[in-house]
Amino acid sequence: GQQLNQSPQSMFIQEGEDVSMNCTSSSIFNTWLWYKQDPGEGPVLLIALYKAGELTSNGRLTAQFGITRKDSFLNISASIPSDVGIYFCAGVILNFNKFYFGSGTKLNVKP
Amino acid sequence: DGGITQSPKYLFRKEGQNVTLSCEQNLNHDAMYWYRQDPGQGLRLIYYSQIVNDFQKGDIAEGYSVSREKKESFPLTVTSAQKNPTAFYLCASSIFGGTSGIEQFFGPGTRLTVL
Repeated sequence: GQQLNQSPQSMFIQEGEDVSMNCTSSSIFNTWLWYKQDPGEGPVLLIALYKAGELTSNGRLTAQFGITRKDSFLNISASIPSDVGIYFCAGVILNFNKFYFGSGTKLNVKP
Repeated sequence: DGGITQSPKYLFRKEGQNVTLSCEQNLNHDAMYWYRQDPGQGLRLIYYSQIVNDFQKGDIAEGYSVSREKKESFPLTVTSAQKNPTAFYLCASSIFGGTSGIEQFFGPGTRLTVL
């Protein structure tokens, strides 16, 4: 199937630092989604992106839909301990109504 | 309030037994999905259904079966043919949202342990 390359795999940062992660693919997607998963829970949708070049914010989170439609980026500003978790990207091909997920970025925030 | 429910949260079964995981949604979504997640890994698609009485195999359907008799419900059966069934199972549903896109929402998950 389609493959999404998500990086980095894990991050260890200090509280207050900014964080950046990204997903890239060889395929073109119509929609990019970003999720956060806490241990033992289901992923929660953070941001949805629908157009190439789109930049969308949700509080301290900002995500961008890459111009080529093959990549997306998520930034978290001024990280706090509750940002700890695994962040997943997902690319969607509308015609097939299928979702392709990255392998996740595990974020650790040191108080 | 609206959402996706999965039950039970934790499930223990003996090897060789079939087990059915429940997934219900009251979001009026047409499409529903089952994913498997192993420790430290991403999500792998087991089955999905875009409409009642129709479903398609995902990437790892062997050893699993599903039914979609009602729009709200999409139960997953883990059969004895599944060689390594211990995992975290996530149900999801989707709708077309925004100006031209699609969003998928997840249930809380069921952790299945086969002893």
